[in-house]
Amino acid sequence: DIQMTQSPSSLSASVGDRVTITCRASQSISRYLNWYQQKPGKVPKLLIYAASSLQSGVPSRFSGSGSGTDLTLTISSLQPEDFATYYCQQSYSTPPTFGQGTKVEIK
Amino acid sequence: EVQLVESGGGLIQPGGSLRLSCAASGFTVSNNYMTWVRQAPGKGLEWVSVIYSGGSTYYADSVKGRFTISRDNSKNTLYLQMNSLRAEDTAVYYCARDLAVAGPPAYWGQGTLVTVSS
Repeated sequence: DIQMTQSPSSLSASVGDRVTITCRASQSISRYLNWYQQKPGKVPKLLIYAASSLQSGVPSRFSGSGSGTDLTLTISSLQPEDFATYYCQQSYSTPPTFGQGTKVEIK
Repeated sequence: EVQLVESGGGLIQPGGSLRLSCAASGFTVSNNYMTWVRQAPGKGLEWVSVIYSGGSTYYADSVKGRFTISRDNSKNTLYLQMNSLRAEDTAVYYCARDLAVAGPPAYWGQGTLVTVSS
Protein backbone atom coordinates (compact mmCIF):
# COMPACT_ATOMS: atom_id res chain seq x y z
CA ASP A 1 0.00 0.00 0.00
CA ILE A 2 1.12 3.57 -0.64
CA GLN A 3 1.68 5.52 2.57
CA MET A 4 0.71 9.18 2.61
CA THR A 5 2.37 11.48 5.14
CA GLN A 6 1.16 15.03 5.65
CA SER A 7 3.16 17.82 7.18
CA PRO A 8 2.68 19.54 9.40
CA SER A 9 0.15 17.57 11.46
CA SER A 10 -1.18 20.86 12.76
CA LEU A 11 -0.50 24.54 12.36
CA SER A 12 -1.64 27.82 13.79
CA ALA A 13 -2.17 30.71 11.42
CA SER A 14 -3.85 34.07 11.26
CA VAL A 15 -6.50 35.31 8.90
CA GLY A 16 -4.79 36.50 5.76
CA ASP A 17 -1.79 34.20 6.10
CA ARG A 18 -0.52 32.06 3.28
CA VAL A 19 -0.68 28.40 4.33
CA THR A 20 1.01 25.43 2.70
CA ILE A 21 0.38 21.78 3.53
CA THR A 22 2.57 19.06 2.09
CA CYS A 23 1.66 15.48 1.30
CA ARG A 24 4.47 12.99 0.74
CA ALA A 25 3.81 9.62 -0.86
CA SER A 26 5.89 6.52 -0.19
CA GLN A 27 6.23 6.07 -3.95
CA SER A 28 5.47 8.15 -7.00
CA ILE A 29 1.77 8.82 -7.51
CA SER A 30 2.20 11.13 -10.51
CA ARG A 31 -0.61 13.66 -10.06
CA TYR A 32 -3.18 11.24 -8.64
CA LEU A 33 -3.76 13.27 -5.50
CA ASN A 34 -6.91 14.74 -4.01
CA TRP A 35 -7.42 17.18 -1.15
CA TYR A 36 -10.37 17.27 1.25
CA GLN A 37 -11.46 19.72 3.89
CA GLN A 38 -13.38 18.60 6.95
CA LYS A 39 -14.86 20.85 9.59
CA PRO A 40 -15.81 19.46 13.02
CA GLY A 41 -18.95 17.35 12.84
CA LYS A 42 -19.21 17.82 9.10
CA VAL A 43 -18.78 15.67 6.03
CA PRO A 44 -15.47 15.80 4.11
CA LYS A 45 -15.54 18.15 1.15
CA LEU A 46 -13.51 17.63 -2.00
CA LEU A 47 -11.39 20.72 -2.70
CA ILE A 48 -8.89 19.65 -5.34
CA TYR A 49 -8.50 16.57 -7.51
CA ALA A 50 -5.79 15.40 -9.86
CA ALA A 51 -3.26 17.45 -7.89
CA SER A 52 -4.36 20.88 -9.13
CA SER A 53 -7.93 20.83 -10.47
CA LEU A 54 -10.25 22.95 -8.37
CA GLN A 55 -13.57 21.35 -7.58
CA SER A 56 -16.60 23.37 -8.64
CA GLY A 57 -17.56 26.01 -6.09
CA VAL A 58 -14.25 25.97 -4.24
CA PRO A 59 -12.69 29.43 -3.78
CA SER A 60 -9.69 30.24 -5.94
CA ARG A 61 -7.52 30.92 -2.87
CA PHE A 62 -7.12 27.13 -2.71
CA SER A 63 -4.58 25.63 -5.08
CA GLY A 64 -2.69 22.40 -5.46
CA SER A 65 0.64 21.64 -7.03
CA GLY A 66 3.34 19.05 -7.39
CA SER A 67 3.73 15.58 -8.81
CA GLY A 68 5.55 12.39 -8.02
CA THR A 69 6.04 11.99 -4.29
CA ASP A 70 5.68 15.56 -2.98
CA LEU A 71 2.49 17.49 -3.51
CA THR A 72 1.15 20.58 -1.81
CA LEU A 73 -2.06 22.37 -0.95
CA THR A 74 -1.82 26.14 -0.64
CA ILE A 75 -4.33 28.57 0.79
CA SER A 76 -3.22 31.96 -0.48
CA SER A 77 -5.01 34.08 2.11
CA LEU A 78 -6.54 32.18 5.02
CA GLN A 79 -10.13 33.05 5.79
CA PRO A 80 -12.10 32.39 8.99
CA GLU A 81 -14.09 29.63 7.30
CA ASP A 82 -10.90 27.79 6.31
CA PHE A 83 -10.09 26.65 9.82
CA ALA A 84 -10.55 22.92 9.50
CA THR A 85 -8.68 19.65 9.02
CA TYR A 86 -7.29 18.89 5.58
CA TYR A 87 -6.64 15.42 4.18
CA CYS A 88 -4.80 14.30 1.10
CA GLN A 89 -5.74 11.05 -0.66
CA GLN A 90 -3.85 9.26 -3.38
CA SER A 91 -5.89 7.72 -6.17
CA TYR A 92 -2.93 6.19 -8.00
CA SER A 93 -3.54 2.69 -6.72
CA THR A 94 -5.94 0.67 -4.60
CA PRO A 95 -6.30 1.08 -1.67
CA PRO A 96 -6.63 4.85 -2.18
CA THR A 97 -5.00 5.84 1.09
CA PHE A 98 -5.48 9.06 3.02
CA GLY A 99 -2.92 11.12 4.83
CA GLN A 100 -3.31 11.50 8.58
CA GLY A 101 -4.68 15.01 8.30
CA THR A 102 -3.49 18.54 9.00
CA LYS A 103 -5.43 20.61 11.47
CA VAL A 104 -5.41 24.33 10.72
CA GLU A 105 -6.14 26.35 13.82
CA ILE A 106 -6.55 30.02 14.60
CA LYS A 107 -3.45 31.76 15.95
CA GLU B 1 -29.26 16.83 -7.20
CA VAL B 2 -27.03 14.06 -5.94
CA GLN B 3 -28.10 12.81 -2.52
CA LEU B 4 -26.79 9.97 -0.39
CA VAL B 5 -28.49 8.87 2.81
CA GLU B 6 -26.87 6.24 5.00
CA SER B 7 -28.70 4.13 7.54
CA GLY B 8 -28.23 0.98 9.54
CA GLY B 9 -25.69 2.07 12.10
CA GLY B 10 -26.02 1.41 15.80
CA LEU B 11 -24.59 -0.35 18.81
CA ILE B 12 -23.49 -3.92 18.19
CA GLN B 13 -21.56 -6.43 20.28
CA PRO B 14 -18.14 -7.66 19.20
CA GLY B 15 -18.50 -10.55 16.77
CA GLY B 16 -21.87 -9.33 15.58
CA SER B 17 -23.06 -8.31 12.13
CA LEU B 18 -24.59 -5.17 10.73
CA ARG B 19 -25.64 -4.05 7.28
CA LEU B 20 -25.31 -0.42 6.30
CA SER B 21 -27.41 1.04 3.51
CA CYS B 22 -26.81 4.10 1.38
CA ALA B 23 -29.87 5.23 -0.55
CA ALA B 24 -28.97 7.30 -3.59
CA SER B 25 -30.99 9.80 -5.57
CA GLY B 26 -30.21 12.12 -8.45
CA PHE B 27 -28.01 9.56 -10.20
CA THR B 28 -27.70 5.83 -10.88
CA VAL B 29 -25.53 3.91 -8.42
CA SER B 30 -24.57 1.27 -10.97
CA ASN B 31 -23.11 3.90 -13.32
CA ASN B 32 -20.61 5.22 -10.80
CA TYR B 33 -17.80 4.18 -8.48
CA MET B 34 -19.25 3.96 -4.98
CA THR B 35 -17.03 4.04 -1.92
CA TRP B 36 -17.28 3.50 1.81
CA VAL B 37 -14.98 5.58 4.02
CA ARG B 38 -14.94 5.47 7.81
CA GLN B 39 -13.73 7.74 10.56
CA ALA B 40 -13.12 6.51 14.08
CA PRO B 41 -13.96 9.00 16.84
CA GLY B 42 -11.38 11.77 16.85
CA LYS B 43 -9.35 10.09 14.11
CA GLY B 44 -8.70 10.56 10.41
CA LEU B 45 -10.36 9.20 7.32
CA GLU B 46 -9.91 5.54 6.39
CA TRP B 47 -10.90 4.13 3.03
CA VAL B 48 -12.90 0.90 3.46
CA SER B 49 -14.20 -0.40 0.16
CA VAL B 50 -15.20 0.46 -3.39
CA ILE B 51 -17.47 -1.04 -6.02
CA TYR B 52 -16.82 -0.01 -9.58
CA SER B 53 -19.48 0.57 -12.17
CA GLY B 54 -18.47 -2.71 -13.78
CA GLY B 55 -19.02 -4.55 -10.51
CA SER B 56 -15.46 -5.12 -9.36
CA THR B 57 -14.98 -4.72 -5.63
CA TYR B 58 -11.97 -3.93 -3.45
CA TYR B 59 -11.40 -3.79 0.29
CA ALA B 60 -8.98 -2.42 2.82
CA ASP B 61 -6.87 -5.14 4.40
CA SER B 62 -8.39 -4.28 7.78
CA VAL B 63 -11.85 -5.41 6.63
CA LYS B 64 -11.09 -7.95 3.91
CA GLY B 65 -12.94 -11.21 4.49
CA ARG B 66 -15.32 -9.59 6.99
CA PHE B 67 -17.04 -6.81 5.01
CA THR B 68 -18.87 -7.08 1.70
CA ILE B 69 -19.87 -4.17 -0.52
CA SER B 70 -22.80 -4.59 -2.86
CA ARG B 71 -25.52 -2.66 -4.61
CA ASP B 72 -29.16 -3.18 -5.51
CA ASN B 73 -29.78 -1.55 -8.86
CA SER B 74 -33.55 -1.80 -8.52
CA LYS B 75 -33.41 0.18 -5.28
CA ASN B 76 -30.51 2.39 -6.36
CA THR B 77 -28.89 1.58 -3.04
CA LEU B 78 -25.38 0.72 -1.89
CA TYR B 79 -24.73 -1.66 0.98
CA LEU B 80 -21.95 -2.65 3.33
CA GLN B 81 -22.42 -5.97 5.07
CA MET B 82 -20.18 -6.05 8.12
CA ASN B 83 -19.53 -9.36 9.89
CA SER B 84 -17.29 -10.37 12.77
CA LEU B 85 -17.25 -6.81 14.02
CA ARG B 86 -14.47 -5.65 16.30
CA ALA B 87 -14.09 -2.71 18.65
CA GLU B 88 -11.72 -1.11 16.15
CA ASP B 89 -14.52 -1.00 13.57
CA THR B 90 -16.24 1.66 15.68
CA ALA B 91 -16.55 4.69 13.42
CA VAL B 92 -18.79 6.92 11.40
CA TYR B 93 -19.26 5.25 8.04
CA TYR B 94 -19.71 7.44 4.99
CA CYS B 95 -20.78 6.39 1.55
CA ALA B 96 -19.53 8.48 -1.34
CA ARG B 97 -19.91 8.78 -5.09
CA ASP B 98 -17.17 9.63 -7.54
CA LEU B 99 -16.89 13.08 -9.08
CA ALA B 100 -17.12 11.50 -12.51
CA VAL B 101 -16.65 7.88 -13.43
CA ALA B 102 -13.36 6.75 -11.89
CA GLY B 103 -12.82 10.12 -10.24
CA PRO B 104 -12.33 10.76 -6.53
CA PRO B 105 -15.22 10.59 -4.05
CA ALA B 106 -16.92 13.95 -4.36
CA TYR B 107 -20.45 13.45 -3.07
CA TRP B 108 -20.76 12.20 0.48
CA GLY B 109 -23.60 11.11 2.68
CA GLN B 110 -23.99 12.42 6.20
CA GLY B 111 -22.59 9.25 7.71
CA THR B 112 -23.91 6.61 10.09
CA LEU B 113 -22.28 5.73 13.41
CA VAL B 114 -21.36 2.14 14.17
CA THR B 115 -20.35 1.39 17.73
CA VAL B 116 -18.94 -2.03 18.52
CA SER B 117 -18.97 -2.60 22.25
CA SER B 118 -20.13 -5.08 24.83
